[in-house]
Amino acid sequence: AQSVTQPDIHITVSEGASLELRCNYSYGATPYLFWYVQSPGQGLQLLLKYFSGDTLVQGIKGFEAEFKRSQSSFNLRKPSVHWSDAAEYFCAVGGGGTDKLIFGTGTRLQVFP
Amino acid sequence: DAEITQSPRHKITETGRQVTLACHQTWNHNNMFWYRQDLGHGLRLIHYSYGVQDTNKGEVSDGYSVSRSNTEDLPLTLESAASSQTSVYFCASSVNSPTGELFFGEGSRLTVL
Repeated sequence: AQSVTQPDIHITVSEGASLELRCNYSYGATPYLFWYVQSPGQGLQLLLKYFSGDTLVQGIKGFEAEFKRSQSSFNLRKPSVHWSDAAEYFCAVGGGGTDKLIFGTGTRLQVFP
Repeated sequence: DAEITQSPRHKITETGRQVTLACHQTWNHNNMFWYRQDLGHGLRLIHYSYGVQDTNKGEVSDGYSVSRSNTEDLPLTLESAASSQTSVYFCASSVNSPTGELFFGEGSRLTVL
């Protein structure tokens, strides 16, 4: 069955620290992978996406993610977190000629000054 | 600028009442989706449409219906609201491509008393 697992419900980091949010997926075909961010009271905004090619993809706001097929993972990273990065982050998987994305349960990021 | 808007943003209703949440997009996207967001569940797909007169059930479609009479609108109707349908509802749209980015509205918070 197709699924996305975000094992960390809540992460707290200090401003300026590095960040890694975990995402593992289960998908029968070649996956298309996405990270979205949701600020409080807002809809979701695309951070980055992976379809093929270079397994390290760059996104907006200084985020990057690395696709590791052998580990079925697509972890999101940022070298130095800013207070404005506090939000909820969702990993999603799709593909196979459909736009029906399957979302993980999200990771809430809290940033301390 | 193109956008996707949802209304109302907040609604309180009573059990058994019919409720309709509106979604309007000016992207001219063929694909439109309705998700609900609940703590611990992330985003779950309710209904989706790939074009005018096309509608499909998602994973949590019971108690909901949609209709697509034009490209811009996909209203979501709760036939007889239940307390279990208290949630935040998001509408999204995308171009007709498996790699197409989902554009989200800001959400409609529905409370069923």
